Amino acid sequence: DAGITQSPRHKVTETGTPVTLRCHQTENHRYMYWYRQDPGHGLRLIHYSYGVKDTDKGEVSDGYSVSRSKTEDFLLTLESATSSQTSVYFCAISLGTGGTGELFFGEGSRLTVL
Amino acid sequence: GEDVEQSLFLSVREGDSSVINCTYTDSSSTYLYWYKQEPGAGLQLLTYIFSNMDMKQDQRLTVLLNKKDKHLSLRIADTQTGDSAIYFCAETPNQAGTALIFGKGTTLSVSS
Repeated sequence: DAGITQSPRHKVTETGTPVTLRCHQTENHRYMYWYRQDPGHGLRLIHYSYGVKDTDKGEVSDGYSVSRSKTEDFLLTLESATSSQTSVYFCAISLGTGGTGELFFGEGSRLTVL
Repeated sequence: GEDVEQSLFLSVREGDSSVINCTYTDSSSTYLYWYKQEPGAGLQLLTYIFSNMDMKQDQRLTVLLNKKDKHLSLRIADTQTGDSAIYFCAETPNQAGTALIFGKGTTLSVSS
């Protein structure tokens, strides 16, 4: 079974501070994704990765950066957090080889920016 | 552009059938998906249908696909309180390698 660990699961921070969320997978799936979930907006794609050092922007990428230096880790960074980035962040991996298809989600990271 | 629309709320009584509807825009989507999200958890794949099918049944779940109208529905028979959750419809994008496109989710509330 695919395993995803997101850390931290909960974080409270102040406006202007940097924040990094980590997504770790236990298998060698090529495609990884970061989504945010907000009431009234559903799930929106922030960034995704299709391999080590290969990333691309999603629908709501402004204010976020990502890095993938190893297959198993996909990091999401908020360089200077704002209150509008208060959200629940989900990491997902694609279980298909082509990048689309069944997604397996982590448990989420709840971020509050004061 | 690509978009997936769902009604936001559905309330049913235990034992009744629930029907959650979804419309999508990309006629080239090869697969369409239903995900379920329970409180405090991530999304879990519930079922999916290939675009050349018009119906798929899996125990209490029935998925109907009308490609002409770009309409997808999920029917849950004998709905239980444990089915209370948010249900997301998703379509495959027209560009390979990019992410699924999700609707905003339908919150299903089941009362006993």
